[in-house]
Amino acid sequence: SQQGEEDPQALSIQEGENATMNCSYKTSINNLQWYRQNSGRGLVHLILIRSNEREKHSGRLRVTLDTSKKSSSLLITASRAADTASYFCARIYGGSQGNLIFGKGTKLSVKP
Amino acid sequence: DTGVSQNPRHKITKRGQNVTFRCDPISEHNRLYWYRQTLGQGPEFLTYFQNEAQLEKSRLLSDRFSAERPKGSFSTLEIQRTEQGDSAMYLCASSRQTVEAFFGQGTRLTVV
Repeated sequence: SQQGEEDPQALSIQEGENATMNCSYKTSINNLQWYRQNSGRGLVHLILIRSNEREKHSGRLRVTLDTSKKSSSLLITASRAADTASYFCARIYGGSQGNLIFGKGTKLSVKP
Repeated sequence: DTGVSQNPRHKITKRGQNVTFRCDPISEHNRLYWYRQTLGQGPEFLTYFQNEAQLEKSRLLSDRFSAERPKGSFSTLEIQRTEQGDSAMYLCASSRQTVEAFFGQGTRLTVV
């Protein structure tokens, strides 16, 4: 499967703690993207990291990419209850003609 | 609102009926994706278009599913002879080439 895996499947933390989610994939990628989905809502794009980048920041988010290990991680620092959502990584496979494939996601619960 | 628009938001249909969903992407986006999502799972890729060309269709997609994007603008997804297993959220997204995708709120299909 092109989807690869995300772990953990579920993560429960206290407000103020950091949350780390991981994503692995199986074949070469054009870029890797992270999305958030609140319950019953559409997906919202968080951050995109290109295959030639190793780390990227956006506010409280930090994404790393290790192409040798075919893995990425999303770190949310100083989490808030409002960060409670499902987080998905998505990859573009197949170069410029490739499609956008999602993993199964990590369900994050941040308790106040 | 210039985001991705999907209609209808909800659809209840009897098994065996045909249904059609519409997606209006962001106007300058040349890519359009369709996904299906069931509870607790990530979005499952169905098909995508680059302008009016349907570039890829999931091998998991039965022949009862068909999508069109005439003139490279809005898209329709039709499911013929619906089955209970088709019950899911159908998500549409659009993007410019391989950069971040913007999602609509989805169409929730219930087959009874």
